[in-house]
Amino acid sequence: QKEVEQDPGPLSVPEGAIVSLNCTYSNSAFQYFMWYRQYSRKGPELLMYTYSSGNKEDGRFTAQVDKSSKYISLFIRDSQPSDSATYLCAMSSGQGLAFGKGNQVVVIP
Amino acid sequence: DTGVSQNPRHKITKRGQNVTFRCDPISEHNRLYWYRQTLGQGPEFLTYFQNEAQLEKSRLLSDRFSAERPKGSFSTLEIQRTEQGDSAMYLCASSLAQETDGYTFGSGTRLTVV
Repeated sequence: QKEVEQDPGPLSVPEGAIVSLNCTYSNSAFQYFMWYRQYSRKGPELLMYTYSSGNKEDGRFTAQVDKSSKYISLFIRDSQPSDSATYLCAMSSGQGLAFGKGNQVVVIP
Repeated sequence: DTGVSQNPRHKITKRGQNVTFRCDPISEHNRLYWYRQTLGQGPEFLTYFQNEAQLEKSRLLSDRFSAERPKGSFSTLEIQRTEQGDSAMYLCASSLAQETDGYTFGSGTRLTVV
């Protein structure tokens, strides 16, 4: 079992819809939880960062962490075509990030 | 300072040749990381430095791979005797020691071994 599981299935949504992404993990030492956005042929770009359990909101993006269930989520409200990218969850216990496989999201105008 | 810079952006090499990549991190970041990403996968951790000290190496980093960070500034990743399985995107990232700001990644070096 990998440390971080992210169902890599592509996701297509109409413009304006809510995008919901999630990851599960097995390492209870993880304390730092991140979501990265990656456009084709580019490096990952930090989107959201959360320390320990709880919710964090930034504009149209909301990140949730439930450490008791070892489950993290990212929600994108009012999705736009420019949100089309691969979204990677990542987490750390303090030394190096463990990534999920990523979800390719396509927002259809 | 506009972010993490990686060179070259693309490298095509013949199997068996040696290649070297360079990463210039954000100047005030004292941690530097190397990751490898293959198509359809998330980045996989290879190694990281705090200043000039290499503190951790993944088991993915075979003895054909070596990384350095002289003087705690830029870093190089060398792959000796390249194999086709080494074809991937090699990503560099940097961060502050506290990790509270996350990691900043470069655009990567795409290696193709033919």
